[in-house]
Amino acid sequence: AQKITQTQPGMFVQEKEAVTLDCTYDTSDQSYGLFWYKQPSSGEMIFLIYQGSYDEQNATEGRYSLNFQKARKSANLVISASQLGDSAMYFCAMREGYGNKLVFGAGTILRVKS
Amino acid sequence: DAGVTQSPTHLIKTRGQQVTLRCSPKSGHDTVSWYQQALGQGPQFIFQYYEEEERQRGNFPDRFSGHQFPNYSSELNVNALLLGDSALYLCASSFVDWGTGDYNEQFFGPGTRLTVL
Repeated sequence: AQKITQTQPGMFVQEKEAVTLDCTYDTSDQSYGLFWYKQPSSGEMIFLIYQGSYDEQNATEGRYSLNFQKARKSANLVISASQLGDSAMYFCAMREGYGNKLVFGAGTILRVKS
Repeated sequence: DAGVTQSPTHLIKTRGQQVTLRCSPKSGHDTVSWYQQALGQGPQFIFQYYEEEERQRGNFPDRFSGHQFPNYSSELNVNALLLGDSALYLCASSFVDWGTGDYNEQFFGPGTRLTVL
């Protein structure tokens, strides 16, 4: 079974609008962490935001926020006020268990239109 | 504060050759992980090093090996290269609280793009 599912292969958003990128995960662990990364065409994976399974508040980092719904096992990334530079591939990833590796989803390509 | 650095940026090899990729972690990080990212896919975990030992390993053959040095930098070695080894190789560093096993950040380097002909 897929550990991380990103159902949107591609998304378009108008500049200055908000966009939500979906991510659902599958784990039986109580302790886990959820990460979002941005990968521009240059290839570098840029860390955006982290949410721990025990965190009660949704994580926020500038224009990025993570809509964490634990019961639904979803961790959607919300980008507010989209900019042209936000055009990139976005990956959701999960760490489960003790010091464990990251498992990545297939990614969502975001295109911001002017 | 330097982030994660990797060398070389690009590499072209032929089948059967061996390659060594290098990584220096972000300052303050002591755990290094290596990932392989094939074109159009998400990164796949190869292995993780902490205290100069391999702590975890993904589903990769023994042709993939690594090393971590006392300064926390790391190498990834791939022997007997196959065409299918062509990929972007990403190094990531983190500071793991090994008491709890938690970490809340993992930073990636720019990657080494390996082409096997």
